[in-house]
Amino acid sequence: DIVMTQTALSSPVTLGQPASISCRSSQSLVFSDGDTYLTWLHQRPGQPPRLLIYKTSNRFSGVPDRFSGSGAGTEFTLKISRVEAEDVGFYYCMQAAEFPYTFGQGTKLEIK
Amino acid sequence: QVQLVQSGAEVKKPGASVKVSCKASGYTFYTYGISWVRQAPGQGLEWLGRISPYNGKTNYAQRFQDRVTMTTDTSTSTAYMELRSLRSDDTAVYYCTREGNLGYWGQGTQVTVSS
Repeated sequence: DIVMTQTALSSPVTLGQPASISCRSSQSLVFSDGDTYLTWLHQRPGQPPRLLIYKTSNRFSGVPDRFSGSGAGTEFTLKISRVEAEDVGFYYCMQAAEFPYTFGQGTKLEIK
Repeated sequence: QVQLVQSGAEVKKPGASVKVSCKASGYTFYTYGISWVRQAPGQGLEWLGRISPYNGKTNYAQRFQDRVTMTTDTSTSTAYMELRSLRSDDTAVYYCTREGNLGYWGQGTQVTVSS
């Protein structure tokens, strides 16, 4: 199985400041169609996960443009350009390049 | 608009089975697979498997292979996930999500396994 490893945020983030979360996969997430199947999800307590970014860098419909995804191969990053209060919660990376799909352990974003 | 509506909470005894439903609307059901994901209390997300409503083909995570069955009813646009031989560590919220980037999720179904 592909192992997904996320970094923890070092400290609570100040409103309006940027935040960055990294995710590493144990093997390449490039699929046979040439796309890289790395997904970012956000989950607030008591709610289902919500899709932010798919195929590494594509923002899902309705996702604010302060969220961006980048990366290639096995190293990926989610960036929030200016953190807002509604961004609190857990962020998960997930690979859908091969079965079984696997998730990172989650990264908690707190506001200072 | 796309919606996935799941069945209600369940309480089961160890060794029993549970069957969770996920009714889809707002799109052509057979054109996207359905994945099932669970989240134990205070834990992260875990993928159980997926099914293609188009041809019924399934892919299960190996650790659930012997205990899970996923099915669909295209006449009602509903997907089902049955988990057997329940244990206390199967207590979790179970989600269905539509493939094609997992952009749409059900509201979740709480399954509690307790004697």
